[in-house]
Amino acid sequence: DQQVKQNSPSLSVQEGRISILNCDYTNSMFDYFLWYKKYPAEGPTFLISISSIKDKNEDGRFTVFLNKSAKHLSLHIVPSQPGDSAVYFCAARAIQGAQKLVFGQGTRLTINP
Amino acid sequence: NAGVMQNPRHLVRRRGQEARLRCSPMKGHSHVYWYRQLPEEGLKFMVYLQKENIIDESGMPKERFSAEFPKEGPSILRIQQVVRGDSAAYFCASSLVSLNTGELFFGEGSRLTVL
Repeated sequence: DQQVKQNSPSLSVQEGRISILNCDYTNSMFDYFLWYKKYPAEGPTFLISISSIKDKNEDGRFTVFLNKSAKHLSLHIVPSQPGDSAVYFCAARAIQGAQKLVFGQGTRLTINP
Repeated sequence: NAGVMQNPRHLVRRRGQEARLRCSPMKGHSHVYWYRQLPEEGLKFMVYLQKENIIDESGMPKERFSAEFPKEGPSILRIQQVVRGDSAAYFCASSLVSLNTGELFFGEGSRLTVL
């Protein structure tokens, strides 16, 4: 039962362009969404989050959009930089069971010079 | 200002042996979480602990797996009688307070290989 899905295993973007990573979820009890970034042989690091009462949150080059009716969120990175090459995980937290995050499978982003 | 420290980084065990993974949370953090990542999958929640208490173990397999976070010392994830399917990366995370904002600080992981 995959409650959080990232349907694109990989994405390749040219440096300077916009990267858009997508995430879909099925559980309407999720109230908080997060994106984590992971380099090889390292642990995930928190990138940006959004509460279910908002539809957009921006932090520098990173913007997360939430479409509750479609149960869809996306992460926009603009402009993309080579250092952004990593695996990106979407995660969600339910109101009940708030102590655990449900992660998607991840999308490997490669930024080409 | 050390982050979350996990050891060992790599552990090789034969089927039937025991694996012990240790996690020292960030300084001042009293909430510890363990996640497991199987190859080509996302992280799966296993257990949430506070000092001397298991708060939520809904993601732990019913048998062979146990976790503790004693008053003194690191949190320990123990896997008894390991099988090949236990091969995975095990990540520990900590937080200062309960997971209200959702931001967890992860360690670099312990990679268990079962031969």
